[in-house]
Amino acid sequence: AQTVTQSQPEMSVQEAETVTLSCTYDTSESDYYLFWYKQPPSRQMILVIRQEAYKQQNATENRFSVNFQKAAKSFSLKISDSQLGDAAMYFCAYRGRLRETSGSRLTFGEGTQLTVNP
Amino acid sequence: NAGVTQTPKFQVLKTGQSMTLQCAQDMNHNSMYWYRQDPGMGLRLIYYSASEGTTDKGEVPNGYNVSRLNKREFSLRLESAAPSQTSVYFCASSERQGNTEAFFGQGTRLTVV
Repeated sequence: AQTVTQSQPEMSVQEAETVTLSCTYDTSESDYYLFWYKQPPSRQMILVIRQEAYKQQNATENRFSVNFQKAAKSFSLKISDSQLGDAAMYFCAYRGRLRETSGSRLTFGEGTQLTVNP
Repeated sequence: NAGVTQTPKFQVLKTGQSMTLQCAQDMNHNSMYWYRQDPGMGLRLIYYSASEGTTDKGEVPNGYNVSRLNKREFSLRLESAAPSQTSVYFCASSERQGNTEAFFGQGTRLTVV
């Protein structure tokens, strides 16, 4: 079974600085998808960014970018110019390739609580 | 534009009681999921339904049952609640394509005393 590990339970960053959140995963598949979700105190789950494993280019969304290292099975999230509104729990997630007989499970890591200091 | 709607938002149960968490989505998604969120453990998959008429166990299915009533609705039942089932429960839905976003409900905070 696929597993996702986030080894940093908590991180903090100064406003306007850059922070990187780590994520590693274990899989025997070669084709899969990776996601970062943000959960603010409201408990709402918000998609931040996604990456297809077959794409070598790292995904970017405004201030958010990833460093996808397929061989190392690593998928880190970089937040540039951190803002107070970035404070939240961040979850890394993995989904395997769609198969005919089953849907594609979405597996999450333990989460990293990000604090942004003014 | 409701998205994924879960009910109830809060619930307190006594040990041994039963209850059903309801989930409905209006995005015509094929796949639906039930997760529980506990501190330090992230979101753990309880059950999922790839499409109407199918359900599969996730990582932590013991003590739970599910029903995919139709394409819109996916319910989670606790037959005999235990304190270990105190958690925040999330329902989610998505298309079956691998890179598509999963949409989540607002969560249900369940306390079993």
